[in-house]
Amino acid sequence: NAGVTQTPKFQVLKTGQSMTLQCAQDMNHEYMSWYRQDPGMGLRLIHYSVGAGITDQGEVPNGYNVSRSTTEDFPLRLLSAAPSQTSVYFCASSYGQGGTEAFFGQGTRLTVV
Amino acid sequence: GQNIDQPTEMTATEGAIVQINCTYQTSGFNGLFWYQQHAGEAPTFLSYNVLDGLEEKGRFSSFLSRSKGYSYLLLKELQMKDSASYLCAVRDSTDSWGKLQFGAGTQVVVTP
Repeated sequence: NAGVTQTPKFQVLKTGQSMTLQCAQDMNHEYMSWYRQDPGMGLRLIHYSVGAGITDQGEVPNGYNVSRSTTEDFPLRLLSAAPSQTSVYFCASSYGQGGTEAFFGQGTRLTVV
Repeated sequence: GQNIDQPTEMTATEGAIVQINCTYQTSGFNGLFWYQQHAGEAPTFLSYNVLDGLEEKGRFSSFLSRSKGYSYLLLKELQMKDSASYLCAVRDSTDSWGKLQFGAGTQVVVTP
């Protein structure tokens, strides 16, 4: 079972460059989300989606865009990379409401120089 | 919003027991999760509590007291492979889909 697949695993960007982090899940989950993880700060929610065509902002949305054209895919776009966006990014999905666990992708380690 | 506090690091000996505490303040509560995260890897689900009391799953148990805003994760018969970060996460009930808010994680170091 593939689960949640993120690409790339590593990326180095120059300040001002843009890029898209890919996330795909094959579990037919409705709920998908993007987190960033920084030392000492835990996972912080960037954007989330409750279904195709529906997205909303999380705790730290500035500098990021998302779209959800299909149930399977939830890409995260960095519009103009900044050193403050150096982090590890995780995509997660879950079935829906209530006490359902979130499944995480393997993460993307992004460095902005 | 929510504030979630857990210790930064704990050290224990192989075969021993360790208890990781998590306290939270929330405007709405709809469950508490514990995740395990090994260095360089993704978080993986360990347990879920929504009602008060103890949930046991093999060597791991998790406890919740909603009135106290308190949970703990108990790891018994520690093994070297249990060295990892343990994340406490609270689900917000103020929206129907319940976003997860994570604590900073507790790094558990198991020594021989």
